[in-house]
Amino acid sequence: DAMVIQNPRYQVTQFGKPVTLSCSQTLNHNVMYWYQQKSSQAPKLLFHYYDKDFNNEADTPDNFQSRRPNTSFCFLDIRSPGLGDAAMYLCATSTPTGTHSGANVLTFGAGSRLTVL
Amino acid sequence: GQNIDQPTEMTATEGAIVQINCTYQTSGFNGLFWYQQHAGEAPTFLSYNVLDGLEEKGRFSSFLSRSKGYSYLLLKELQMKDSASYLCAVMDSNYQLIWGAGTKLIIKP
Repeated sequence: DAMVIQNPRYQVTQFGKPVTLSCSQTLNHNVMYWYQQKSSQAPKLLFHYYDKDFNNEADTPDNFQSRRPNTSFCFLDIRSPGLGDAAMYLCATSTPTGTHSGANVLTFGAGSRLTVL
Repeated sequence: GQNIDQPTEMTATEGAIVQINCTYQTSGFNGLFWYQQHAGEAPTFLSYNVLDGLEEKGRFSSFLSRSKGYSYLLLKELQMKDSASYLCAVMDSNYQLIWGAGTKLIIKP
């Protein structure tokens, strides 16, 4: 089945120790997103790629970086995790032509839950 | 600023009907989405409304009134597995998704 796969599902790191989260997709979607979601809060968009074009949200801290080496893969690097970065990180994909009556529906991966000690 | 409002939590009984409301104020409108999110899992797409009216899909229906900046998600014949958070999201004029914080729905036997 075509899908979005995130690894690892659970990541524990120490304060300040770099972390890389990965996302792969078999949907061949142009757009890939990274969201941060804390408990009982709305997902917060960190950045997204339209093909190779990188779009950073204005309020995304410099501590967060991303790479998209090819259509299928995208990485989220957290250079120096702080306690406030503990959250669920969601990768999502979409295609501009839409998958539901023209709507730009997002398909999410299962998420990577980050714990910072 | 852009804002999506939905109740934080609702409780309903198995077999009953529940309506989850969402009001929005956004810069433009290019559609409203409802997603379901079980605890600790990723959101999954439920419905999309871009024109006024009701969209029905099995036990779930979604309604939109653009003039009122209002939508609701209606869940019928509630099942225990419907216990989840329901997220309302609006696509603005820049095709950016603005998310609500979600409504946690608790189903009781």
